[in-house]
Amino acid sequence: AIRITQSPSSLSASTGDRVTITCRASQGISSYLAWYQQKPGKAPKLLIYAASTLQSGVPSRFSGSGSGTDFTLTISCLQSEDFATYYCQQYYSYPSLFGQGTKLEIK
Amino acid sequence: EVQLVESGGGLVKPGGSLRLSCAASGFTFSSYSMNWVRQAPGKGLEWVSSISSSSSYIYYADSVKGRFTISRDNAKNSLYLQMNSLRAEDTAVYYCARVAIGSDAFDIWGQGTMVTVSS
Repeated sequence: AIRITQSPSSLSASTGDRVTITCRASQGISSYLAWYQQKPGKAPKLLIYAASTLQSGVPSRFSGSGSGTDFTLTISCLQSEDFATYYCQQYYSYPSLFGQGTKLEIK
Repeated sequence: EVQLVESGGGLVKPGGSLRLSCAASGFTFSSYSMNWVRQAPGKGLEWVSSISSSSSYIYYADSVKGRFTISRDNAKNSLYLQMNSLRAEDTAVYYCARVAIGSDAFDIWGQGTMVTVSS
């Protein structure tokens, strides 16, 4: 199975900050990586797929980069509604594992 | 409106069985692969199982292989998860999720149904 290591597990930031979350795959997955946002009590929401393609309707302050084994999610100019938990997921092969999650909290 | 609605969750004793359903609407269900993903209380997301549009390809996480069975009825626009030999560690919110055509990411999720395995 291709393992995903996501870091950090938690992050404190302020509105207006720029933050970066990283995921590393245990082997190359090309660009088969997605990022999701989850708020408490809600289902995950797809933000980015194919490592860097923004899902329709997602604000442009979200961006993704990387290929192979190393990937990043960047949120520029944090808004209050961005405080949530973020997960990466590899869908290169089954099992389609998720990262451990990054809880983004208000400083 | 594109929508997935799960049902069938509840409280079950260890060793028991439960069948989850996911009703799809607002899109051509038979064209999409589907998945089940679960989330234990306070924990992260765990992929459980996947089924292709025509049921030709089915995959399971090692943690549920041999105990859970995924299936679908395209005529009824429904996805199912039959869960047998349930364990305490299967306690979680279970989400159904659609695989986006062209990207393979999970683009539409249901609201989830809670399964609690406890004596």
